[in-house]
Amino acid sequence: QSVLTQPPSVSGAPGQSVTISCTGSSSNLGAGYGVHWYQQLPGAAPKLLIYGNNIRASGVPDRFSGSKSGNSASLAISGLQAEDEADYYCQAYDYMLNGRQVFGGGTKVTVL
Amino acid sequence: QVQLVQSGGEVKEPGASVKVSCKASGYTFSTSDINWVRQAPGQGLEWMGWMNPKSGNTGYAEKFRGRVTMTRDTSTNTAYMELTRLRFDDTAVYYCVRGLSGSLVLGNRFDPWGQGTLVSVS
Repeated sequence: QSVLTQPPSVSGAPGQSVTISCTGSSSNLGAGYGVHWYQQLPGAAPKLLIYGNNIRASGVPDRFSGSKSGNSASLAISGLQAEDEADYYCQAYDYMLNGRQVFGGGTKVTVL
Repeated sequence: QVQLVQSGGEVKEPGASVKVSCKASGYTFSTSDINWVRQAPGQGLEWMGWMNPKSGNTGYAEKFRGRVTMTRDTSTNTAYMELTRLRFDDTAVYYCVRGLSGSLVLGNRFDPWGQGTLVSVS
């Protein structure tokens, strides 16, 4: 059971938009720590996608956007493309836990 | 470019130890922590701990304390993660990743990631 909660899967047709939620608590997202998002393509290592809640990493298309409010954050993908099919993880720092970096359980995005 | 290159896959028996290396290039090794994250087959990402290459200071997730040791060799810009008393459920891909510091909002992000090292316990 992950400290940050994500839906296991979301799907959409090409061109549509999808949103992935990431829910934390007062010791991580609610404490003001930034949330970071990673994309993991099949068989590859994760790659930084969005950091500091809403800043796209270098080379990331503007179809990807992030937001955060209180204990929750979201990753939105607009104009869904086949190459966006991947697993997406949110991550943040947690000051309460001995395991100080925490991840969401991951969300599989399927392009129909 | 900034790059982390890890050692090759390993097959170990239960009770054995494994040591994975991670060679950094393209940046000043001492300026950023190295974190280790693992991913069991078909599962999510699990943070194991961090190491500061300049001081050698470390911090481990509670789950791994007593079994994991993170070290470095500053002469070769290489970080190491050793896991002892291996169990079947330690079978996973182990990633090293650079931790980038910053403000409350921008800090604690991971970039880039190594290519991963598969450790199979069987």
